[in-house]
Amino acid sequence: GAVVSQHPSRVICKSGTSVKIECRSLDFQATTMFWYRQFPKQSLMLMATSNEGSKATYEQGVEKDKFLINHASLTLSTLTVTSAHPEDSSFYICSARLSSGGGQPQHFGDGTRLSIL
Amino acid sequence: QKEVEQDPGPLSVPEGAIVSLNCTYSNSAFQYFMWYRQYSRKGPELLMYTYSSGNKEDGRFTAQVDKSSKYISLFIRDSQPSDSATYLCAMSLYGNKLVFGAGTILRVKS
Repeated sequence: GAVVSQHPSRVICKSGTSVKIECRSLDFQATTMFWYRQFPKQSLMLMATSNEGSKATYEQGVEKDKFLINHASLTLSTLTVTSAHPEDSSFYICSARLSSGGGQPQHFGDGTRLSIL
Repeated sequence: QKEVEQDPGPLSVPEGAIVSLNCTYSNSAFQYFMWYRQYSRKGPELLMYTYSSGNKEDGRFTAQVDKSSKYISLFIRDSQPSDSATYLCAMSLYGNKLVFGAGTILRVKS
């Protein structure tokens, strides 16, 4: 149980393109989902916390107009990287926490490797 | 000082060895403790999840939490080459975001 699916797994696109990444909890409901960015050989860096039906909370230094997050249902959150540039190239990972409580662990998707040419 | 300290390794062991991975932390209010395994180019996979102090065992894995020392451990018995990965400790308060360690790279040699 507690499977999180992330799509696509790999994206290569030109500079200036907007890219949408989907995160789905397949077998549970997730009131809260999280978006992370991971640089090579580093730990995960939280970008934003997404609550179903409300605006996302962004971490300090993360541009909310650059990284648009939508959490329209209890099983789906999306991250859109708008007008992507080479510096946005990274590994983006989402996670979801069961709706039953804030003490539940986060379950992660398999990540999206974004490469901007 | 980082909120969570974890030796990045790499830690290299022979197949069949017992592996000990550790994290220390500074915030005594942390209540929830997790260990994740991350293979290259994949997302982290939850291995162990514990609340407060104590031990938890699941197959070849044992997690220990010592809140008085602010120290958590993950033991892997009979290690296999397939255990080679990066191991991340993480902890949180109720309803709060996870705080991760830097991750320890483990290599199990056959």
